[in-house]
Amino acid sequence: EVQVVESGGGLVQPGGSLMLSCSASGFTFSRCAMHWVRQAPGKGLQFVASINDNGDRIYYTESVKGRFTISRDISKNTLYLQMSSLRVEDTAMYYCVKDLCGTYAFDKWGQGTMVTVSS
Amino acid sequence: QSALTQPASVSGSPGQSITISCTGTSSDIGYYNLVSWYQQHPGNAPQLLLYEVSQRPSGVSNRFSGSKSGNTASLTISGLQAEDEADYYCASYICDTCPVVFGGGTKLTVL
Repeated sequence: EVQVVESGGGLVQPGGSLMLSCSASGFTFSRCAMHWVRQAPGKGLQFVASINDNGDRIYYTESVKGRFTISRDISKNTLYLQMSSLRVEDTAMYYCVKDLCGTYAFDKWGQGTMVTVSS
Repeated sequence: QSALTQPASVSGSPGQSITISCTGTSSDIGYYNLVSWYQQHPGNAPQLLLYEVSQRPSGVSNRFSGSKSGNTASLTISGLQAEDEADYYCASYICDTCPVVFGGGTKLTVL
């Protein structure tokens, strides 16, 4: 069974840092792009970051460029999102999402991990 | 990147068909056949309904169908059921350096 499980969310002060992890199983992790998508409370979905299968193509939404870093460890079947200089507006549920290989469609979502940025 | 435009809400009665539109531009929906649709029930993660405009992943009911005309994609749900009440989001590939943009979401109410 294909699974992606996020961890690492929590409460952090503005300007702080947090590292999210996503453990993947049930599929060949190295074959497909992976993404982070977030959803602020009561709001819609927002693409955050994307990394292709071999890690040489990385994209970020404009508002997180220079602050967030997406990476993947093929040996550990794990996706990461390093977040720094966090802002109140980064408060959201963060979903780890598997790409339907080459379609830019998101076919498997984790349960999400909540990040709250507040003083 | 501007979000795709969806109606905030739609409604229908059980058994009816409804259509949710998703309007972009000639640079995203109008150019690429890489539109996907997602269903999200309250408190749950989104689930993929359609990809590449009209393709259904295995396990998705054939009551869900998709189409595209010009810069607008559409999701049609036929034979509306109570369990279809949820939020629906469209998404599209837009460019090589900013791969996906979402619509604002549409709340479907089954009357």
